[in-house]
Amino acid sequence: AQSVTQLGSHVSVSEGALVLLRCNYSSSVPPYLFWYVQYPNQGLQLLLKYTTGATLVKGINGFEAEFKKSETSFHLTKPSAHMSDAAEYFCAVTSNTNAGKSTFGDGTTLTVKP
Amino acid sequence: DGGITQSPKYLFRKEGQNVTLSCEQNLNHDAMYWYRQDPGQGLRLIYYSQIVNDFQKGDIAEGYSVSREKKESFPLTVTSAQKNPTAFYLCASSESWTGANSPLHFGNGTRLTVT
Repeated sequence: AQSVTQLGSHVSVSEGALVLLRCNYSSSVPPYLFWYVQYPNQGLQLLLKYTTGATLVKGINGFEAEFKKSETSFHLTKPSAHMSDAAEYFCAVTSNTNAGKSTFGDGTTLTVKP
Repeated sequence: DGGITQSPKYLFRKEGQNVTLSCEQNLNHDAMYWYRQDPGQGLRLIYYSQIVNDFQKGDIAEGYSVSREKKESFPLTVTSAQKNPTAFYLCASSESWTGANSPLHFGNGTRLTVT
């Protein structure tokens, strides 16, 4: 079984401030982890993914995430928020035993204040 | 550019009517999926298809049906048996069913309102 918990359904930061969106996962086998972003009335776009290898993963738009097995976490960060980062962010997990059936967190809405 | 096209973007229906949502992809992906999204909730899997002429129920398949007659097409029918059909529906694809590390590619969704 696999599951994802995103801590904080809403996060608000000032423009230029650090963005930290939290994701914890549960998986009985080695997980593959993804962060997606969704703008209003649109589909989801891939920000970054962790499969194997380097635990610090860099994605698009300056985002990065670190896979920490001991903490079962995959938090998303960005050093300096832009107004254009305002969106909803979803963490997702899959594994080789559950291929193709991604399990998504409930999402975190990021607000960026000027 | 390759991608997934969902149509229409907005759909309005009366209660008791079946409605079909279109999903077409030109990415040459084997696997296709339908998700339902409700406010404040993550995505929930309705149906998925690994290959043409094959599909499987997801976590919330009741009241829905699909077909996969062509690789590029995976239409979803919301039947009158679906108790709460008003939602945002997302179609997605991935390169291979067996590649768990393949990300999902999403269409821009169809917002269905049933009154």
